[in-house]
Amino acid sequence: DGGITQSPKYLFRKEGQNVTLSCEQNLNHDAMYWYRQDPGQGLRLIYYSQIVNDFQKGDIAEGYSVSREKKESFPLTVTSAQKNPTAFYLCASRNRNTGELFFGEGSRLTVL
Amino acid sequence: GQNIDQPTEMTATEGAIVQINCTYQTSGFNGLFWYQQHAGEAPTFLSYNVLDGLEEKGRFSSFLSRSKGYSYLLLKELQMKDSASYLCAVRRKASNDYKLSFGAGTTVTVRA
Repeated sequence: DGGITQSPKYLFRKEGQNVTLSCEQNLNHDAMYWYRQDPGQGLRLIYYSQIVNDFQKGDIAEGYSVSREKKESFPLTVTSAQKNPTAFYLCASRNRNTGELFFGEGSRLTVL
Repeated sequence: GQNIDQPTEMTATEGAIVQINCTYQTSGFNGLFWYQQHAGEAPTFLSYNVLDGLEEKGRFSSFLSRSKGYSYLLLKELQMKDSASYLCAVRRKASNDYKLSFGAGTTVTVRA
């Protein structure tokens, strides 16, 4: 089955630690995205990548970093510089023909 | 930037109809999406409108008026499983990129 897999589903982190969220897709999509979701707010774009070895900052990139070494993989690192990292993180890839985004199941990060 | 507004909450009775409105202001409009998201889960695609008019898909319909910056999602014959958050998302073209921005979502509660 084609789809997007995010891991871990739940993650706890101490303040000052970096953490990396995994996102893998086997849909053969070029474009991939990371969104953050907080209660009462819409999904906010952190980073996106239109093609391998290229990525762009979204609206709230500060305190985050990404890489796109392979088409299938787009990991997100939440660094200690991110002031309020507790949130639900969603990874997505886009069907080039329809524009539809396909989302992973999400990763819920809690900073203790 | 762009503003995407939708009501925060709506409640309806099983078997009834509910209409969720979404208004937006953006440049380079390139389509409007509706997604459904159950609590703690990934958003799933419901509909896509790029031209004015009504798109019907089973119990769900979506309408777009580009001149008014307005869309609605119509849910008919409501079922308990339709209790979820409904996200309006606007795509715009900026240079060579397509960006998708989300509203805060409308939480629909279906009561027996």
